[in-house]
Amino acid sequence: AQSVTQPDIHITVSEGASLELRCNYSYGATPYLFWYVQSPGQGLQLLLKYFSGDTLVQGIKGFEAEFKRSQSSFNLRKPSVHWSDAAEYFCAVGAPNAGNMLTFGGGTRLMVKP
Amino acid sequence: NAGVTQTPKFQVLKTGQSMTLQCAQDMNHNSMYWYRQDPGMGLRLIYYSASEGTTDKGEVPNGYNVSRLNKREFSLRLESAAPSQTSVYFCASRDRGAGSYNEQFFGPGTRLTVL
Repeated sequence: AQSVTQPDIHITVSEGASLELRCNYSYGATPYLFWYVQSPGQGLQLLLKYFSGDTLVQGIKGFEAEFKRSQSSFNLRKPSVHWSDAAEYFCAVGAPNAGNMLTFGGGTRLMVKP
Repeated sequence: NAGVTQTPKFQVLKTGQSMTLQCAQDMNHNSMYWYRQDPGMGLRLIYYSASEGTTDKGEVPNGYNVSRLNKREFSLRLESAAPSQTSVYFCASRDRGAGSYNEQFFGPGTRLTVL
């Protein structure tokens, strides 16, 4: 069975600083990987996804993520954080069999200091 | 195009009461999902429906039942609510595209409290 670990429960960065959110996964085949963002009281919005090909994936809102098979990681990055990026971020791995279920990490809550 | 809608937005139940959470999508998606979200645990899959007429258990199905009423609607029922079912419930849908893995689209959630 697949699993996802997000080691950082909370992260605080200053506005304008760079950001990296960590995600490690366990899956027996080529993974399908996703990053979702959840603003307070809202549902989840897809930031970006990786299926195959180029290991550096660009997403919405200036986010990018890099798939590193050797490290089983899919870290999310942003060069300059804006106050509106404060939210909770979830990494997920998708299983192409069994209904294509998503397995989510526990989430990282990002706070942005002015 | 409303996407995925859920009703109600908030609900308070007493232990032992029953209720049904409703979910509908207008994107003509084949697959639909129910998750629960608890602090520090991310989202966990309760049940899913890969296509109309089929349902399967996810990671945490105990205490829940589902009905895929038609292609648009997928309901989640709590027959006898327990405090452990206090959570935020999300419905999602996905288009089963050929040759690719399409992302899931999420509803706004239902916040359920069981006293």
